[in-house]
Amino acid sequence: ETGVTQSPTHLIKTRGQQVTLRCSSQSGHNTVSWYQQALGQGPQFIFQYYREEENGRGNFPPRFSGLQFPNYSSELNVNALELDDSALYLCASSLVMETGYTFGSGTRLTVV
Amino acid sequence: KQEVTQIPAALSVPEGENLVLNCSFTDSAIYNLQWFRQDPGKGLTSLLLIQSSQREQTSGRLNASLDKSSGRSTLYIAASQPGDSATYLCAVNNNAGNMLTFGGGTRLMVKP
Repeated sequence: ETGVTQSPTHLIKTRGQQVTLRCSSQSGHNTVSWYQQALGQGPQFIFQYYREEENGRGNFPPRFSGLQFPNYSSELNVNALELDDSALYLCASSLVMETGYTFGSGTRLTVV
Repeated sequence: KQEVTQIPAALSVPEGENLVLNCSFTDSAIYNLQWFRQDPGKGLTSLLLIQSSQREQTSGRLNASLDKSSGRSTLYIAASQPGDSATYLCAVNNNAGNMLTFGGGTRLMVKP
């Protein structure tokens, strides 16, 4: 079975720009979550999607938005980038709570 | 609001030592708890998943315990090896199942 894949692996953007990060869920998983991990810290929950609907959101402003597609892949969009948005963005997929989460390798976003 | 704390933040041990990493959480109403390993700049690799009804899980040299009532989990690593050097993160899944709350991680260095 394929794992969770994220693209791109690295990205450099200028403050004020917009960015789209992509994630393909592990085969058979119907839930996808996004996390932001600043350097030296644990990941912070951004939001989760289940059946193409947002199913929970962390303490992130509306300029962080997402989509889940019928094939369960997902996008994370961030508008009006700020320097503090520089972080590793992790995507995780799951099927049911009992099986836990599988994470991708992340996208390293640098905002300059 | 769930808060997860990991102690110590960093640990350096000689090869061959047995060691214990600690994780505590403030809200005992969890669904399960997951331990992850993270190599520098990489994604998360799931090590062990403990359901709230379980007391421990084992995989090879790793053993994780859970005491839900006291809000604690430990990860025991036997006969540590230099390849075990990484950051270890614990994460609790709340009862709604839609988010993981992570600790700040323990950065482990195993010296040859």
